[in-house]
Amino acid sequence: EVQLVESGGGLVQPGGSLRLSCAASGFTFRSYSMSWVRQAPGKGLEWVSYIFRSSTTIYYADSVKGRFTISRDNAKNSLYLQMNSLRAEDTAVYYCATVEDKVAANDYWGQGTLVTVSS
Amino acid sequence: EIVLTQSPGTLSLSPGERATLSCRASQSISYFYLAWYQQKPGQAPRLLIYGASSRATGIPDRFSGSGSGTDFTLTISRLEPEDFAVYYCQHYGTSPPRWTFGQGTKVEIK
Repeated sequence: EVQLVESGGGLVQPGGSLRLSCAASGFTFRSYSMSWVRQAPGKGLEWVSYIFRSSTTIYYADSVKGRFTISRDNAKNSLYLQMNSLRAEDTAVYYCATVEDKVAANDYWGQGTLVTVSS
Repeated sequence: EIVLTQSPGTLSLSPGERATLSCRASQSISYFYLAWYQQKPGQAPRLLIYGASSRATGIPDRFSGSGSGTDFTLTISRLEPEDFAVYYCQHYGTSPPRWTFGQGTKVEIK
């Protein structure tokens, strides 16, 4: 069974940093590209970042470019999101999701971790 | 930048009725990269449809997708109680590479 478990969320002050992790199991992690998608409270979905299977290709949404860094460790079956210079508008549930590259769709999702940016 | 506009914002229907959800793109897009997701309160999204019309693994055949160009549709032929949820369309664009979601359509019990 495919499982994606996010962790690392919490309360952080504006300007602070946080590192999210996503632990994958039940599938061959190194064979899947991955994305982070977020959802502000009561709002819709927003794509944040994408990383190819071998980390050779990375994309960011304009809203996080230069502040967030996506990475992965295929040996540890783990995906990460380093978030710096956090703003109130980054407050959201952050989901990690697999990417089926052929059709660019997110076929498996974790349950999400809440990040709250507030003083 | 492509914008996806979903309509209606809310759809009030009874179980057994047919639901028709629209997703309109601000310019012509490739159907290949158009997907639909279902999200229930407190849960992660679930992939329903990819490539505009292909059902994801385990998705019942009462869910169907269609469309091309700028207009795409998700149809639920007969609503089951578990289908009341929020539905999002999503598109992947290549120039620049990015994923865009529509704002969502809520299907609620009438």
